[in-house]
Amino acid sequence: SQTIHQWPATLVQPVGSPLSLECTVEGTSNPNLYWYRQAAGRGLQLLFYSVGIGQISSEVPQNLSASRPQDRQFILSSKKLLLSDSGFYLCAWARGSGNTIYFGEGSWLTVV
Amino acid sequence: SQQGEEDPQALSIQEGENATMNCSYKTSINNLQWYRQNSGRGLVHLILIRSNEREKHSGRLRVTLDTSKKSSSLLITASRAADTASYFCQGDMRFGAGTRLTVKP
Repeated sequence: SQTIHQWPATLVQPVGSPLSLECTVEGTSNPNLYWYRQAAGRGLQLLFYSVGIGQISSEVPQNLSASRPQDRQFILSSKKLLLSDSGFYLCAWARGSGNTIYFGEGSWLTVV
Repeated sequence: SQQGEEDPQALSIQEGENATMNCSYKTSINNLQWYRQNSGRGLVHLILIRSNEREKHSGRLRVTLDTSKKSSSLLITASRAADTASYFCQGDMRFGAGTRLTVKP
């Protein structure tokens, strides 16, 4: 069966510090991978998606970036965090576009 | 842009009542799916309805799809306190703001 792991689960970072959130998927190959952000009590905002290694599409211009160094690894990064980067970050995967999206448990980021 | 827009934003009902949530989407879809999110957790897939289907049932869930109106509805019958969560629809890879359902015991 397929599983998705993301870490860390919670993170408190000062403004201006770097960020690295990691996500790995097991039990499948060549998945579509996604990063979403959710502000408290709000909907999901698609940040990045990837249909293959090294292929990253950005939905919203901001100080975040994503990379896919391996087929089942997706990394969300920032060189300098802003207060507005605080939120709940969710990694997800799917077997191609339009299919069911499976989510990780999320990472809570608080920028102070 | 958001693909799914759920309505209402919040819904509060008593246990045993039915809950209906609506979703509108903008572009053509092959499938439309509904998800549930408990507070502070990832989303969990509930049900998928294909573009050539009009209605689908799964346990206490009933989903309808009207592709001419680009809309869908999710009905939860005989609601329980454990159904308290946020519910989202998804057409492609984008989600709306969701409907926050509160079921009071």
